[in-house]
Amino acid sequence: AQKVTQAQTEISVVEKEDVTLDCVYETRDTTYYLFWYKQPPSGELVFLIRRNSFDEQNEISGRYSWNFQKSTSSFNFTITASQVVDSAVYFCALSEARNTGNQFYFGTGTSLTVIP
Amino acid sequence: GAVVSQHPSWVICKSGTSVKIECRSLDFQATTMFWYRQFPKQSLMLMATSNEGSKATYEQGVEKDKFLINHASLTLSTLTVTSAHPEDSSFYICSARGREEDREDYEQYFGPGTRLTVT
Repeated sequence: AQKVTQAQTEISVVEKEDVTLDCVYETRDTTYYLFWYKQPPSGELVFLIRRNSFDEQNEISGRYSWNFQKSTSSFNFTITASQVVDSAVYFCALSEARNTGNQFYFGTGTSLTVIP
Repeated sequence: GAVVSQHPSWVICKSGTSVKIECRSLDFQATTMFWYRQFPKQSLMLMATSNEGSKATYEQGVEKDKFLINHASLTLSTLTVTSAHPEDSSFYICSARGREEDREDYEQYFGPGTRLTVT
């Protein structure tokens, strides 16, 4: 079973629109970590945010904000006033503390295109 | 923050040859390194986990004789794709974790990736 689901494969928005990328995860652990990464065309993963399972506070960083809801096992990512430079593939990932290897489970990614 | 490098950043090789990809932790000691493979427009899939000084653990479906992993030091892991074929063309990404006493549970740092093209 997929541990991290990103149902949106591709999204296109016009510049300055807001966009929300969905992420739903599945785990039986009580302690786990959730991440969002940005992967531009160059391929290098850019770390955006980490959240642990005990911290459900939403976070805002500039135009980026994250909504973590344990009740629905979701960790959604919103970009406000999108810009062309936001065009990239965005991955949500889960790491379980119980897993001694602490491997990352990645979602399938959402390709975001911001049209000027 | 911690830095992980990969070399080469891209490589083109002929079918049947072997190619080695290096993953280095530049400013920390990496007791565990992970190797991922990413095909175009797909997600990152874990290939194997290697702990310094011991044999790598491969994920189901990954041929250990084809993808040789060596983690001989605390700062270097290598992935050798043996007898490469066009279907091995992919983007290979490594990540590294520091010693348990030096890091938080969640910490894992990704390299910039190596794009392999087999002709």
